[in-house]
Order: sequence, then structure tokens, then C-alpha cells
Amino acid sequence: GQQLNQSPQSMFIQEGEDVSMNCTSSSIFNTWLWYKQDPGEGPVLLIALYKAGELTSNGRLTAQFGITRKDSFLNISASIPSDVGIYFCAGQPYTGTASKLTFGTGTRLQVTL
Amino acid sequence: IAGITQAPTSQILAAGRRMTLRCTQDMRHNAMYWYRQDLGLGLRLIHYSNTAGTTGKGEVPDGYSVSRANTDDFPLTLASAVPSQTSVYFCASSVDSVNTEAFFGQGTRLTVV
Repeated sequence: GQQLNQSPQSMFIQEGEDVSMNCTSSSIFNTWLWYKQDPGEGPVLLIALYKAGELTSNGRLTAQFGITRKDSFLNISASIPSDVGIYFCAGQPYTGTASKLTFGTGTRLQVTL
Repeated sequence: IAGITQAPTSQILAAGRRMTLRCTQDMRHNAMYWYRQDLGLGLRLIHYSNTAGTTGKGEVPDGYSVSRANTDDFPLTLASAVPSQTSVYFCASSVDSVNTEAFFGQGTRLTVV
């Protein structure tokens, strides 16, 4: 099946710092999604990307769909304690449907004051 | 509040027992999905349904069955539970099978002993 490599696996940052994480795929994706999961909750969609090169923001979050269609990046600016959680990327293959969505293994973010 | 409801929230189950995890959505979404989440493996698709009356196998379907008698409900059944099915199970839905923006329930934590 599809392979999605997400990095870093975990990170500790100080409040106020900017955060960057990325996902790379072994094949082309048509859609990239970024989710956040809080402890004991289900994933919540943050940003959806549908076009190569697309740059989309949601508050302090910015995500980009890589030009090669094989990667995506998520940046969080001026992190705050409520940013703590696990961030997942997910991608849909070029010829696939929603049932072909593949998830990365997640980036665990912890913010220290 | 509209969304996806899963039940039970958690369950400890003896190996060999039959168990049905319930999932109901009130968003009138056509497509529904069951994922399992295991540490280090991210979210993996078990079964999906593109529309009421149809189902399909995902990445890890063995030991699980689903049915989709109507739009709102998508139960997942473990016919004879085994310890390797210990996991957190998430139900999700999207507007249709092409739209990848999936909404997730809060999950069911299942422990098979």
C-alpha cells in the first residue's frame, strides 16, 4: 500500500516558537489533508489541500501542497499550550477515492511554557 | 450538535466473544468508514461504505464485518475477538466517496483479553 513518512515523530517546543512538520509519499497524491488529534478524541480536520503548490492558512496554521505532489508541509506560528496534540497528514492517491485515503503515523507536539 | 456518535466509549472483551461497535451520524453523509488506530501505525482503514447498501474492504478487514442498512448507521462487528484486535476504533464519514474531508467520531477503546 501507500507509504507516508511523517516527521518529526515528536517534538518539544517552547510556547511562542514556530513549528514545522512534513509528510512525504512514495507516490503522487491528489489531495493532502492535515488533522489534529487531542487526547481521547478523534482527529479533527485542520486544512485540506487540492492543488500542487497550493498554500492555505487556518489561523496560525499554514499548510502547503508540494509541487512534486509527493509531499506536504504544516507550519504553526507562535505556538500556544492548546497546540499540544498529535498532528496527522493524510493523502489521497491521484486516481483514488476517499476510501483510499492514507494516513501518516503522526507528529506528537508538546509545548512547554 | 451534529456529528458522529460512537458507542461504547470503551470496552474490555474476552477473547472469542462477539462484539458490535456502533456508529451513527446525523450529517446525511453518504460515505462512512471504520479505522483502527494503533501506536506507531497511524490510522488504518478496516471497511468503508460509499453509500447505503454497499460496503467495501479496506487495508485491514480480516476479522471484521460491517453493514450499511441506512444512511445514518454503520456498525462494525468482531465475530470472534482476538487480542490483536485491541485498539482504538474510529468511525468517520464524508459527504460522498470522492470528498476526502472526513469527520471522525470520538473513538471506541477496545481491549481484548
